[in-house]
Formats: sequence, C-alpha cells, structure tokens
Amino acid sequence: GQNIDQPTEMTATEGAIVQINCTYQTSGFNGLFWYQQHAGEAPTFLSYNVLDGLEEKGRFSSFLSRSKGYSYLLLKELQMKDSASYLCAVINTGGFKTIFGAGTRLFVKA
Amino acid sequence: NAGVTQTPKFRILKIGQSMTLQCTQDMNHNYMYWYRQDPGMGLKLIYYSVGAGITDKGEVPNGYNVSRSTTEDFPLRLELAAPSQTSVYFCASSASGTEGGTQYFGPGTRLLVL
Repeated sequence: GQNIDQPTEMTATEGAIVQINCTYQTSGFNGLFWYQQHAGEAPTFLSYNVLDGLEEKGRFSSFLSRSKGYSYLLLKELQMKDSASYLCAVINTGGFKTIFGAGTRLFVKA
Repeated sequence: NAGVTQTPKFRILKIGQSMTLQCTQDMNHNYMYWYRQDPGMGLKLIYYSVGAGITDKGEVPNGYNVSRSTTEDFPLRLELAAPSQTSVYFCASSASGTEGGTQYFGPGTRLLVL
C-alpha cells in the first residue's frame, strides 16, 4: 500500500527552529515535495528532494533519506506567518501522480 | 499570467443536483489534476490528465467525471451530488514529472451539498 505519515500538529515559539518529519511507503518514488498551505488557501510549493541529503532555501531546509523512506522540513527563525499546514508529498515512478500526506498544522506562538 | 483559475469559488448544491467545476491554466502545462480536501485532511486525487484527450482515475473518482478537450481546460463534473461530496476542490497543473512535477494550485472551490 501507499502511506505517508506526518505528525498532526506542532507548536513552536517565534524565533525558534522546528523540524517536521515525514515517513513514506509508496509503490514508486521519483521525488518528494513539501508544500505550505495557509488556512483557507491553496497549497504552495516549498521544496523538492530527489536525491539523499539536505536542500537549503533561505529559512527552509528539506532533508531526504530514500533508504529510510524519511524526510524532514526544517524551519528556522520562525515567524508568526509560518503558522500553516505543511504537506509532505511523494511523486510516483510515473513522474506525475503525487500522493499527499494529511499535513502537519504548525502553530507559531509569540 | 493568471496561473490556475477555478470557478466558482463557492457553491451550495441540493442532493441530486449536478454541476461542473471549471479549471483553466495558462502555463501550457501538460499535466492537470483534481483533488478534494476534507476538513483537517490531506489532498485526495480524484482524476488527472497527462494531456489533451487523455484522462485517468485517481484515488477517489466515484461520483465524478472529467474531460480534457484542450491543454488549458480541465472541468470536473459532479453528477447526482451527495452530502459526502461536501469538500474543497483544488485543481492543479504541472509541467512534467520529476523536477517539473511541482504542482501549481488554483484557489479552490468550496462545495456544500445539502
């Protein structure tokens, strides 16, 4: 079967660092995405990993270990506007069908 | 460049009614998708298309139909609406697989079936 697991909710303090984990079991793998979704809005692209290792993009970094079926999204210097859901998604071997996790709701408090 | 547009933004349907959710993209993307998102849940793929004239079922296709007569448009048809179809519907498009597989989402259509 295909499954993507993420924590349901996390809370962190403004200015801090938070790590959101994602584990996956899919029938094929051609890359992993992280999307950000603010309440009542559409998801927007954050990062893409296809090879093992860390991809850094400003305050956001994403890590992938294909052998462990594991990824994390690291958010540094948290801001109130980072309060949102973060969706982990795996693109299958065909290269276009994407399986989404249920998302992690992050609450950033002052 | 408008990206992905969806209409309507919000709709209330009675049980048994039908409607079409419109989706248009102006990025010349081959791949288009319809998802539904129930409260507090992730996105579930309803249907997808890899190009004009080609469509296929996703995880939850029952109760829906699609067509793709042009690259730009990918309408989703609901026949005989049921309360279980109350959800937010997102249309998305992408250029291709792998790195081009980044999906760009429309603003969503909120559907309430009573």
